Amino acid sequence: DAGVIQSPRHEVTEMGQEVTLRCKPISGHDYLFWYRQTMMRGLELLIYFNNNVPIDDSGMPEDRFSAKMPNASFSTLKIQPSEPRDSAVYFCASSTQGQPQHFGDGTRLSIL
Amino acid sequence: QKEVEQNSGPLSVPEGAIASLNCTYSDRGSQSFFWYRQYSGKSPELIMFIYSNGDKEDGRFTAQLNKASQYVSLLIRDSQPSDSATYLCAVSHGGSQGNLIFGKGTKLSVKP
Repeated sequence: DAGVIQSPRHEVTEMGQEVTLRCKPISGHDYLFWYRQTMMRGLELLIYFNNNVPIDDSGMPEDRFSAKMPNASFSTLKIQPSEPRDSAVYFCASSTQGQPQHFGDGTRLSIL
Repeated sequence: QKEVEQNSGPLSVPEGAIASLNCTYSDRGSQSFFWYRQYSGKSPELIMFIYSNGDKEDGRFTAQLNKASQYVSLLIRDSQPSDSATYLCAVSHGGSQGNLIFGKGTKLSVKP
């Protein structure tokens, strides 16, 4: 079975550029989560969706970050404009009721 | 601020020994508790979850929960070099679909 699929795996871009991270959840999962992981702050929840609807976006650091889930099989996390402090590994995870969250392989983002 | 605290380690144990990993949490309303294993450069992988006070065993792994003390632990018996990884404790008000608060992880090193 295909797991959570994230793209790209690595992204290097210059400060000020727009960055779009993509996620395809496991088929049938109705919850989708975006996390950010850094050495300093660990793994932090940014936002999560249920049935494509954002439920809690309190972890989104600021207005430069936005996330969408236009359908059950696709979500994006966008950073515009990007800053060096946004450099981190971004994980997407999905789950369904009563089941644990399954994580994708992550996107390693470097903002120069 | 809801917090999950873990000793960052590294915790070093010899092969075959018992590794004991500990976690405390601040939110008394927490209901669900999870242990994830993360190999370097990889995504978190769920290894245990526990909802009730007491012990829960799964193979070489035992999770222990004490809600009165707001304390969760993970024991790994007969530790193997392949167990060397960072172990993340995560806590939630609800099930795995809710807002998981992660600790920063304990790095475990099992020496042959």
